[in-house]
Amino acid sequence: QKEVEQNSGPLSVPEGAIASLNCTYSDRVSQSFFWYRQYSGKSPELIMSIYSNGDKEDGRFTAQLNKASQYVSLLIRDSQPSDSATYLCAVKRAGGTSYGKLTFGQGTILTVHP
Amino acid sequence: KAGVTQTPRYLIKTRGQQVTLSCSPISGHRSVSWYQQTPGQGLQFLFEYFSETQRNKGNFPGRFSGRQFSNSRSEMNVSTLELGDSALYLCASSVGLASTGTDTQYFGPGTRLTVL
Repeated sequence: QKEVEQNSGPLSVPEGAIASLNCTYSDRVSQSFFWYRQYSGKSPELIMSIYSNGDKEDGRFTAQLNKASQYVSLLIRDSQPSDSATYLCAVKRAGGTSYGKLTFGQGTILTVHP
Repeated sequence: KAGVTQTPRYLIKTRGQQVTLSCSPISGHRSVSWYQQTPGQGLQFLFEYFSETQRNKGNFPGRFSGRQFSNSRSEMNVSTLELGDSALYLCASSVGLASTGTDTQYFGPGTRLTVL
């Protein structure tokens, strides 16, 4: 079992729709959760971080965390063609052995078509 | 505030050579993490430095090494290059808070290494 798994893509949604990206993790000691967006040929760009159970909203983006189910998701409302990218879920364990280490999922490719 | 910078942006080397990549973190950030990104393996953690000390290391062979300077700038070195080392090498900087998991990493643009 991979440490961090994301829903297999690619995911295609029409402009204006809600895109739903999902991520599960295996390590119960995981403490922090991040969503990064990576455009083709570019480096990852932070979208959201979430640390507590529940929802966190930032503009068109909502991150949801359920530690009991070891599940984190990202919703993108009113999707735009500019949202087309690879979305990476990243998880960080608690404790000293996790210094500086993010564990990434394989990424989900999102395409928003006009 | 200036972001994370990496140099060079592109490198072409041949097998057996060595290479040194550089990363300058965001001002005030003391932690620098390095990652390798390939199509097959995705993003994988190499190592992390904080205050000139390596605090964590991923599962990479000893050919991969790094260091950090007193101004928090970091370098990574790959010796005896192999074809499989062709990848995008990313560094990320953070404040480096030791006791919490809320330390957020910001990535540089990466160095694209091609080994022929």
